[in-house]
Amino acid sequence: GDSVTQMEGPVTLSEEAFLTINCTYTATGYPSLFWYVQYPGEGLQLLLKATKADDKGSNKGFEATYRKETTSFHLEKGSVQVSDSAVYFCALSVYYGGSQGNLIFGKGTKLSVKP
Amino acid sequence: NAGVTQTPKFQVLKTGQSMTLQCAQDMNHEYMSWYRQDPGMGLRLIHYSVGAGITDQGEVPNGYNVSRSTTEDFPLRLLSAAPSQTSVYFCASSYTGVTNTQYFGPGTRLTVL
Repeated sequence: GDSVTQMEGPVTLSEEAFLTINCTYTATGYPSLFWYVQYPGEGLQLLLKATKADDKGSNKGFEATYRKETTSFHLEKGSVQVSDSAVYFCALSVYYGGSQGNLIFGKGTKLSVKP
Repeated sequence: NAGVTQTPKFQVLKTGQSMTLQCAQDMNHEYMSWYRQDPGMGLRLIHYSVGAGITDQGEVPNGYNVSRSTTEDFPLRLLSAAPSQTSVYFCASSYTGVTNTQYFGPGTRLTVL
């Protein structure tokens, strides 16, 4: 079936370090891919998305490219800040058989950024 | 706009009790959904609705009921609470379809003793 696998955490980085959080997927149809972020004590917020192969989503300095050949959607940021400390979720929705499937979430990766 | 609101923020129940988690949105979104978040499990879809009067089951529907009588409201009912339903519950809404941005409420933390 359709699924998302993302890198387990927690991840601890120093401020201004480079961030990569890996996400791979399996899909029976045409996937759309998302990264959601959850700040402490809050609900999730959409960070970025990509709905077709080779699309790059970007927001707030974060980027992710939908790579069909490697079935991946890795999240990257060149220089993290303390305010980026949060839990990051990769998510997938698959279009198949004439209908769009519901969101399937990865387990989440907790990021802590130290000053 | 208040966005997506959820009440209560916290709730403690005893096994066998029933309760309703409230969810409301003021963005005229057609699509609404309920998720539960458990440690190490990510978010799992309980029920969803594509419009008033239409609901369907998600991945983990057992023990939960929903109805959608208005566009704004999408309550989640626990008929007979069990300890396995201890979780954080999130409601979300969007314009038609999941590829549109999902707006999440702040969550309800439920403990069943």
